[in-house]
Amino acid sequence: DTAVSQTPKYLVTQMGNDKSIKCEQNLGHDTMYWYKQDSKKFLKIMFSYNNKELIINETVPNRFSPKSPDKAHLNLHINSLELGDSAVYFCASSPSPGTSGRFYNEQFFGPGTRLTVL
Amino acid sequence: AQSVTQLDSHVSVSEGTPVLLRCNYSSSYSPSLFWYVQHPNKGLQLLLKYTSAATLVKGINGFEAEFKKSETSFHLTKPSAHMSDAAEYFCVVRNRDDKIIFGKGTRLHILP
Repeated sequence: DTAVSQTPKYLVTQMGNDKSIKCEQNLGHDTMYWYKQDSKKFLKIMFSYNNKELIINETVPNRFSPKSPDKAHLNLHINSLELGDSAVYFCASSPSPGTSGRFYNEQFFGPGTRLTVL
Repeated sequence: AQSVTQLDSHVSVSEGTPVLLRCNYSSSYSPSLFWYVQHPNKGLQLLLKYTSAATLVKGINGFEAEFKKSETSFHLTKPSAHMSDAAEYFCVVRNRDDKIIFGKGTRLHILP
């Protein structure tokens, strides 16, 4: 059973197009994230949602818009794609806070979506 | 401000020899610390985590890490490297304010 899944795995598109990446987790977690990994493997958090509410929004162009229809899904929509958007995008989720508090919890990552903008 | 520094961008060891991947952190609070592994074209997988219990943490695949507050370090070790350990390794710090910071990664190469 896939815990955190992303579709598509590969996405090749032209500059200026609009595209979406979908993420689903079947772990019952409350918190979901989007990360961008550049060509040097550096991982940067983009967004975090808890129970469908946005809680982290790092310095990301507003061409990127996350949408969480329910707590098991966090989709990423990108408008007017640019060459610099080419990267691998990872979705992740975290367990519920529990009595220990959220900051103890590890994240579970999806397999990634490799986006190439031509 | 918090930060994570992985001191080596690349580490090469021979199969069967020990592995040491270094990580130093800076944090205003007592943080939680994690090591993740990323195999080529794969997502990240948790190796181990420190959450203020035992300072020596054992993880999967024979890896372990020791939290040293006085040195602000959380180095990852393994007694004997295997070819399947070749991957990218990330040290991560997470604070009570829920800031999550990733190190820049260390690529581990295993020489036959």
